[in-house]
Amino acid sequence: NAGVTQTPKFRVLKTGQSMTLLCAQDMNHEYMYWYRQDPGMGLRLIHYSVGEGTTAKGEVPDGYNVSRLKKQNFLLGLESAAPSQTSVYFCASSRGLAGGPTGELFFGEGSRLTVL
Amino acid sequence: RKEVEQDPGPFNVPEGATVAFNCTYSNSASQSFFWYRQDCRKEPKLLMSVYSSGNEDGRFTAQLNRASQYISLLIRDSKLSDSATYLCVVNFISSGSARQLTFGSGTQLTVLP
Repeated sequence: NAGVTQTPKFRVLKTGQSMTLLCAQDMNHEYMYWYRQDPGMGLRLIHYSVGEGTTAKGEVPDGYNVSRLKKQNFLLGLESAAPSQTSVYFCASSRGLAGGPTGELFFGEGSRLTVL
Repeated sequence: RKEVEQDPGPFNVPEGATVAFNCTYSNSASQSFFWYRQDCRKEPKLLMSVYSSGNEDGRFTAQLNRASQYISLLIRDSKLSDSATYLCVVNFISSGSARQLTFGSGTQLTVLP
C-alpha cells in the first residue's frame, strides 16, 4: 500500500539552483496539494490541484511552480532556490465530495530541503 | 488574525492525566472540522473528524461549538504514545466558492512517565 510517495526525501541546494519534487499517489484521488511546514508556522498551502491538468495557487505560491499532467502525479518546481525556501515539503491527496475535497488528507512522508 | 488558531503549548502532562485542547476559527462559513496528529519528523495523519453532536473514539472526544466558533479535543487517560502535535483543520468555502482546508499551527503534547 504505497499511498502517497514523495521523492526525493532529502536535498541540499545552493542558492539559484533549480529542482523538482515529485509526488505520486495510487488512490485515484482527484485533489492533490503541496504544503510547506516551518517551525511555528504550521502547514501552509503552496499550490493545489483539483484534477488532471488543473492547478491553483495556495497561500504561499511565490517562487514555486507546479504541474499535474497525470492524475496520479503532482510536481513541485523551484526555478531558482532561495534560503527562505528551506523547509519540509509535504504532498497530500484527497478524494472529492460534492464539489470539494473531503477533510481526509493522505500525506507523503515529507521532503526536507535545505538551500544554502 | 489567523483563520485557525491553536494554543501552541507545549502541554506537559503525566501519564493517565486528562488533557484538552481548543481550536478557534474565524470563518463562520466553515463546514467541517478535523483533528490530525503529527509525530515528530513525520507526516500528519487524520485522528478524527468532528461532528456537530460531538463524537468519541476510545479515549478521544471531539466537540464543536458553532456559536463560539471553536472545536475541542479531549484526551482521557493519556499514554506516553499520545505525545505528538495535534493539528486542528477547518474546511470552509473560500471566496472563489471552492472548499478549502486550513490547518492550525498545532498544539504540542508531551506525556511524561
